[in-house]
Amino acid sequence: DAGVTQSPTHLIKTRGQQVTLRCSPKSGHDTVSWYQQALGQGPQFIFQYYEEEERQRGNFPDRFSGHQFPNYSSELNVNALLLGDSALYLCASSLADSHYGYTFGSGTRLTVV
Amino acid sequence: AQRVTQPEKLLSVFKGAPVELKCNYSYSGSPELFWYVQYSRQRLQLLLRHISRESIKGFTADLNKGETSFHLKKPFAQEEDSAMYYCALRAKAGNMLTFGGGTRLMVKP
Repeated sequence: DAGVTQSPTHLIKTRGQQVTLRCSPKSGHDTVSWYQQALGQGPQFIFQYYEEEERQRGNFPDRFSGHQFPNYSSELNVNALLLGDSALYLCASSLADSHYGYTFGSGTRLTVV
Repeated sequence: AQRVTQPEKLLSVFKGAPVELKCNYSYSGSPELFWYVQYSRQRLQLLLRHISRESIKGFTADLNKGETSFHLKKPFAQEEDSAMYYCALRAKAGNMLTFGGGTRLMVKP
């Protein structure tokens, strides 16, 4: 089992551009959560997807959107990139309503220049 | 609103010394608490959950609802314990995890 896989690992974008990050959950998991981790800080919750719908959302603007596919994989889209969007984006998968914690991917390092 | 605070950014101890990484939370209900660890060049991984009351790699954590704390402890630190440690909370099973800012533990030889 490869666990949670994210692509790409690194990305450099220009201010104002749009970006799509991808995540494949751990086998058997049906829920995907996305986090933003700025340098020196803990992960901040962006949103969670379950049954192809956004189930919870953190305090992020509408420029951040997502999608979950029937195979449970997920995408995170960010429009109109700002310099402040530079961060490590983490994907985590879990089983809905389970008492276990999340399984995290290695993340995508996004740099906005 | 739920909030997790880890007051120490860095904790440095000698090998064999006791370790306590502090975690305080604010939440009005009965949350689930977790400790996650990130070793150098590895992904974030679950260390332990309060609900299972387990000891992993010699670490334990007790949920103190009166003090709203979930401190992580180990009686004798090892060099391989050096890592970033994050405390996390969620309101109920399946909900989002709220993380603290993390504490970097350095265990010196």
